[in-house]
Amino acid sequence: GQNIDQPTEMTATEGAIVQINCTYQTSGFNGLFWYQQHAGEAPTFLSYNVLDGLEEKGRFSSFLSRSKGYSYLLLKELQMKDSASYLCAVKDSNYQLIWGAGTKLIIKP
Amino acid sequence: GAVVSQHPSWVICKSGTSVKIECRSLDFQATTMFWYRQFPKQSLMLMATSNEGSKATYEQGVEKDKFLINHASLTLSTLTVTSAHPEDSSFYICSASDPGTPSQPQHFGDGTRLSIL
Repeated sequence: GQNIDQPTEMTATEGAIVQINCTYQTSGFNGLFWYQQHAGEAPTFLSYNVLDGLEEKGRFSSFLSRSKGYSYLLLKELQMKDSASYLCAVKDSNYQLIWGAGTKLIIKP
Repeated sequence: GAVVSQHPSWVICKSGTSVKIECRSLDFQATTMFWYRQFPKQSLMLMATSNEGSKATYEQGVEKDKFLINHASLTLSTLTVTSAHPEDSSFYICSASDPGTPSQPQHFGDGTRLSIL
């Protein structure tokens, strides 16, 4: 079966750096996406990786290793507004998006 | 700006009522749209894939006769919750992606919070 694993919850301090990991086992691979979802709101797109390596976008970076079935989302200079759930999703060989359960990130002052 | 518009954002109605939710792609034509449901503090759950001009594909365990999906045009999909009951109260979210580029992310509507009394 297809599976995406990410930690349920993480806690970090304002101003610090946090890394949220995601591992996947899917039938084929056509890209990995990270989304941010604040409580009570719809998800918003953060990043996309299809080739190995690091994609940087401001305070957020996303890394992919296809051979390891592994990605991480790196958040720098954490702000209180970064408190949210972060969802990892993979497009399989049929271009269907497979979702992880999300990681709830709690930022403390 | 928003590329997917969802309406209404909030519905409260009596048990037994049918509720229609609209999802529109604003900047592109979407042959496929997706409907999700999310209960409080739980993850997104895909309910069905809406295909323009053909029948929707429902996920296992989702009642097709209760959750009617119509995708009559390339920019509009509707989800109708028929004879809604309190257990149908949830956050319903639609999404769509530009089919021209498979690498494009799914863009989400703002969601519809449905409360059945």
